[in-house]
Amino acid sequence: EVQLVESGGGLVQPGRSMKLSCAASGFTFSNYGMAWVRQAPTKGLEWVATISYDGSSTYYRDSVKGRFTISRDNAKSTLYLQMNSLRSEDTATYYCTRAGLWVFDYWGQGVMVTVSS
Amino acid sequence: EIVLTQSPTTMAASPGEKVTLNCLASSSVSYMNWYQQKSGASPKLWIYGTSNLASGVPNRFSGSGSGTSYSLTISSMEAEDVATYYCLQLSSYPPTFGSGTKLEIK
Repeated sequence: EVQLVESGGGLVQPGRSMKLSCAASGFTFSNYGMAWVRQAPTKGLEWVATISYDGSSTYYRDSVKGRFTISRDNAKSTLYLQMNSLRSEDTATYYCTRAGLWVFDYWGQGVMVTVSS
Repeated sequence: EIVLTQSPTTMAASPGEKVTLNCLASSSVSYMNWYQQKSGASPKLWIYGTSNLASGVPNRFSGSGSGTSYSLTISSMEAEDVATYYCLQLSSYPPTFGSGTKLEIK
């Protein structure tokens, strides 16, 4: 059974940093691209970043470029999102998702990030 | 960036009623994916590659479309179908989601 378990969220002040993790199991992690998708309270879904299966390619939405870094450790089957210079508009539930062929097929339960002073 | 416009924003259907949710793309896309999200839960893949049902999805659901116009249809509404449905395109970067259709039951 595919499982994605996010951790590392919480309350953080504007301008500070936070690192999210996503532990994967139930599939060969190193064979799949992975992505982060977020959802602000009462809002819709918004793609944040994607990383290729081997970590050689990364893609970001414009609003997080230069502030967020997606990475992975295939030996640990873990995906990361380093978030720097956080803003109030980054407040959201962050979901880890597996990037299958042309689809985000499995999703974690999500982790809440609140940026507030 | 391809913008996906979903309609209606909210709708209510009676049990047994046929329901159609729409997703209009600002430029042509090769296929569409749909997700179901129930209140307080994470999204679930519901339909992929325009018309393929994800594992466990009841066959009263179907997907269709091409180019810029896609739809999700429920042949006979059931109470368990209450949720918000989102479309997602991955044909071109950045990936974009529609704003969602909230489906309620009468």
